[in-house]
Amino acid sequence: AQSVSQHNHHVILSEAASLELGCNYSYGGTVNLFWYVQYPGQHLQLLLKYFSGDPLVKGIKGFEAEFIKSKFSFNLRKPSVQWSDTAEYFCAVNDNAGNMLTFGGGTRLMVKP
Amino acid sequence: EAGVTQSPTHLIKTRGQQATLRCSPISGHTSVYWYQQALGLGLQFLLWYDEGEERNRGNFPPRFSGRQFPNYSSELNVNALELEDSALYLCASSIPGLAGSYEQYFGPGTRLTVT
Repeated sequence: AQSVSQHNHHVILSEAASLELGCNYSYGGTVNLFWYVQYPGQHLQLLLKYFSGDPLVKGIKGFEAEFIKSKFSFNLRKPSVQWSDTAEYFCAVNDNAGNMLTFGGGTRLMVKP
Repeated sequence: EAGVTQSPTHLIKTRGQQATLRCSPISGHTSVYWYQQALGLGLQFLLWYDEGEERNRGNFPPRFSGRQFPNYSSELNVNALELEDSALYLCASSIPGLAGSYEQYFGPGTRLTVT
């Protein structure tokens, strides 16, 4: 069975600080990896995804993530956060069979202006 | 392009009643997934429907059931409601992509409150 761990439950940063949110997964086969974001009062939105190819993927709003297969990790990064990045971030994985997403527990990010 | 829509937005039921939640996928999407987002439990997979068939279900009791209609919309039914069923129920849709990529798009959810 798949499992996903997000190490930080709550993160507080000041504007312009750099962000890195950790995500590790447990699954022996080929996986697809995702980061979703849930802004306050809004629904889950896809931030970025990795299916294959270049392990460094770029998403919307300046976010990027790096897939490190040997570490089973898919950490999310942003060089300089903004107040508008305040949200909850979820890492998720699924297999290549169109199966369900397995989510991490989420990380609540608060960016202080 | 319209996104995934869900109805109702909020639903209040009493313990023991039944709840029916509805989802319309993005046009052209054939798969519908249901997830439960309960406080303190994160996002948990409930059910996956594709082309009208149930493809997989999560670790939930049989009183959680659903179906997918010929137009690919879906319904989630929760029977014999319990207090712990109070949660945000999210629906997502997807379409098979290249190399098995299954990108799921989420709706706004139905907030179910059981009193």
